[in-house]
Amino acid sequence: EVVLTQSPATLSLSPGERATLSCRASQSVGIYLAWYQQKPGQAPRLLIYDTSNRATGIPARFLSSGSGTDFTLTISSLEPEDFAVYYCQQHNNWPRTFGQGTKVEVK
Amino acid sequence: EVQLLESGGGLVQPGGSLRLSCAASGFTFSSFAMSWVRQAPGKGLEWVSTISSSGDITDYADSVKGRFTISRDNSKNTLDLQMNSLRAEDTAVYYCGKGPGFFDPWGRGTLVTVSS
Repeated sequence: EVVLTQSPATLSLSPGERATLSCRASQSVGIYLAWYQQKPGQAPRLLIYDTSNRATGIPARFLSSGSGTDFTLTISSLEPEDFAVYYCQQHNNWPRTFGQGTKVEVK
Repeated sequence: EVQLLESGGGLVQPGGSLRLSCAASGFTFSSFAMSWVRQAPGKGLEWVSTISSSGDITDYADSVKGRFTISRDNSKNTLDLQMNSLRAEDTAVYYCGKGPGFFDPWGRGTLVTVSS
């Protein structure tokens, strides 16, 4: 199965700062990578699919790039509501797999 | 508005069974594959199973294969997960999600606790 490794595990930043999250796959997943945001007590919410397509209603400050094995989610300027856990997920291979998550916390 | 609502979770003893359901609304249910994803307490996300739009193709994570069965009723817009031979490691919040690839949206989840 494809193993996704996210880094860093925790990112401590202040509102207004730029966040850069990484997701590395153990083998190529093409462009078939998604990103989710999860807040405490809530279900995950799709942010990005197919590497760079924002889901409906997702603000433009969420940017994603990459292909193959290396992907990056960038939040250009953190808003208070962006502090959460972020997961990447590949949808190129079965089984579908998720990264272990990156927590973006208030510094 | 697309909505997914899970039900059926609860406390069950090891070796027991439980059936989860997901009621879908706001979209043409019969046109979309559907999936289950779970999250153990304080842990990350794990894909569990996916079923095709017509219900004729299913897939399972190795961790549940042979114990869990996914099914759907397109006349009732419902997705089910029959869970047998439950183990402590199956304890998790179970989410249903629309889609076979990426999942959008997700339901609120239902908690399954396997404990004696």
